[in-house]
Amino acid sequence: AQSVTQLGSHVSVSEGALVLLRCNYSSSVPPYLFWYVQYPNQGLQLLLKYTTGATLVKGINGFEAEFKKSETSFHLTKPSAHMSDAAEYFCAVSGRVTGGGNKLTFGTGTQLKVEL
Amino acid sequence: DTGVSQDPRHKITKRGQNVTFRCDPISEHNRLYWYRQTLGQGPEFLTYFQNEAQLEKSRLLSDRFSAERPKGSFSTLEIQRTEQGDSAMYLCASEGDRNTEAFFGQGTRLTVV
Repeated sequence: AQSVTQLGSHVSVSEGALVLLRCNYSSSVPPYLFWYVQYPNQGLQLLLKYTTGATLVKGINGFEAEFKKSETSFHLTKPSAHMSDAAEYFCAVSGRVTGGGNKLTFGTGTQLKVEL
Repeated sequence: DTGVSQDPRHKITKRGQNVTFRCDPISEHNRLYWYRQTLGQGPEFLTYFQNEAQLEKSRLLSDRFSAERPKGSFSTLEIQRTEQGDSAMYLCASEGDRNTEAFFGQGTRLTVV
């Protein structure tokens, strides 16, 4: 079984400051890990994913995340926040389903606020 | 390719009524998922199709819920005898065979009054 814990339901940063959103996971198999962003009343957009290989993954809009197996973490960072980054961010871990699909288990989300 | 499309975007219904939502996946994506997202929570898995076969259902999917994907293309999710607790955003996602990335639609927001 898989689970995801996102520490901090709300994070507030100043424009230009570092963004750090925390995610810890639990998985009985080598995980696939994802970060999604959701704007109000919208679906989810993939920011980045880790499947195998390089543990530092780069995504869209300047975001990146590092898979740390020893810490069971997949924290999301961005060096300099922009006002347009204000949104809700979800970390997810993939579990296999019958027939080879990827069922996602999501965390409860972190609302990012960016202040001037 | 316009991505995953869901219809309607919003639905308000009275308790006890039946509702049906539609999802059109990205063409040629053979995997299709339904998720439910309640306020302040992350999406929760409901069910999964590979082509027209429904291969997995969550325990969240009570007997009032039914999903179909008759020709392996679009899918419908029906809720019978709606309850206030069914109020949520219902999200559809599709994925290709060789992908490890699910593409989400914009969701259908259901309000049961």
